[in-house]
Amino acid sequence: EADIYQTPRYLVIGTGKKITLECSQTMGHDKMYWYQQDPGMELHLIHYSYGVNSTEKGDLSSESTVSRIRTEHFPLTLESARPSHTSQYLCASSEYPGTAYGYTFGSGTRLTVV
Amino acid sequence: QQQVKQSPQSLIVQKGGISIINCAYENTAFDYFPWYQQFPGKGPALLIAIRPDVSEKKEGRFTISFNKSAKQFSLHIMDSQPGDSATYFCAASKAAGNKLTFGGGTRVLVKP
Repeated sequence: EADIYQTPRYLVIGTGKKITLECSQTMGHDKMYWYQQDPGMELHLIHYSYGVNSTEKGDLSSESTVSRIRTEHFPLTLESARPSHTSQYLCASSEYPGTAYGYTFGSGTRLTVV
Repeated sequence: QQQVKQSPQSLIVQKGGISIINCAYENTAFDYFPWYQQFPGKGPALLIAIRPDVSEKKEGRFTISFNKSAKQFSLHIMDSQPGDSATYFCAASKAAGNKLTFGGGTRVLVKP
């Protein structure tokens, strides 16, 4: 059973619209991550958080922003969607300082910007 | 700069055969090496993980081999089954739970 939830699962939206992708986890994990997965499979880290009020940009430059007001919630926002934002977005969480269990991933949001 | 290189990009194996996926890393500070399995429409799920103090770890039909001096590790899927058809990612981090660096992924197709 998934303990990390992403909504919506699929989203088709017009260019210029503001969107928020939701990610929630029930495991009490301190660390949360957003990855962008391109059609070629590769996973690119775009944002991460090591706790409440802590957010950092990842390895891949992204026009999105994130917030971490509550431990369990890590939403990603695009202020003005563009076709280049079309992708699969995966949220993940992990414990601090770390266990043998690594990341738990959500099922992802597939975003299409038309 | 790709810190974890994975090969091959895709792999076709007959049912009952052995699937082998290789990864090489550059950062000697990495000390946690997990493998993830991803089915279409799902997020990746942890399959098996190893630390550099052991050279091999086996869980069922899945085995990780680790070569610290060569900075390489590999996943072997023994007796491959059609249900193993998925995309596999190797990864590395400085301790479990910390930011993971993923390899590029390998699509495995097991033919019946």
